[in-house]
Amino acid sequence: DTAVSQTPKYLVTQMGNDKSIKCEQNLGHDTMYWYKQDSKKFLKIMFSYNNKELIINETVPNRFSPKSPDKAHLNLHINSLELGDSAVYFCASRAGTVYNEQFFGPGTRLTVL
Amino acid sequence: ELKVEQNPLFLSMQEGKNYTIYCNYSTTSDRLYWYRQDPGKSLESLFVLLSNGAVKQEGRLMASLDTKARLSTLHITAAVHDLSATYFCAADIFGNEKLTFGTGTRLTIIP
Repeated sequence: DTAVSQTPKYLVTQMGNDKSIKCEQNLGHDTMYWYKQDSKKFLKIMFSYNNKELIINETVPNRFSPKSPDKAHLNLHINSLELGDSAVYFCASRAGTVYNEQFFGPGTRLTVL
Repeated sequence: ELKVEQNPLFLSMQEGKNYTIYCNYSTTSDRLYWYRQDPGKSLESLFVLLSNGAVKQEGRLMASLDTKARLSTLHITAAVHDLSATYFCAADIFGNEKLTFGTGTRLTIIP
């Protein structure tokens, strides 16, 4: 009964490859996010989707393309991976209440060699 | 643009002691959040503070919000080892539903 799930948990790949990370939430939330946490633990928002529509795009390179097939899923595809893409990527979903509380997935640790 | 600063970045304290983590934000914010992250794990929501003077407590942790000073604090009372983690504050603004995170405070409780 995991609320926000991500796959895979670990991803190790070579520079130049293309990879995808999948996220699913079973909370019934309309809004989902992708965050990147770098090696210094700094968290920064990348994208947000509300009911399959892109609403936030935080100046992320075009190599990153989110896709939301339905409001319960938000996937992240990364083309031509670079060393600097190595990080932990978190998916989150938001309760549509005044508290705006966000619930985070377990994270995907991406290592680019 | 909303900016969020936390201090200290690192905090090492003995069991049984009290301490406070500070979170300042740069512009008017409508909501202030505290999250906990254990090593290699996800972020766990601790508190959401909405209004000036709001105070919330859970066990040995107490969070407060002063919107006039643009300051939130996370106070730890009689620390125990289980509280060792990284604590993040975050803020957002109504109508701009993205969280801006602070740098995090890595808390280590020493027996």
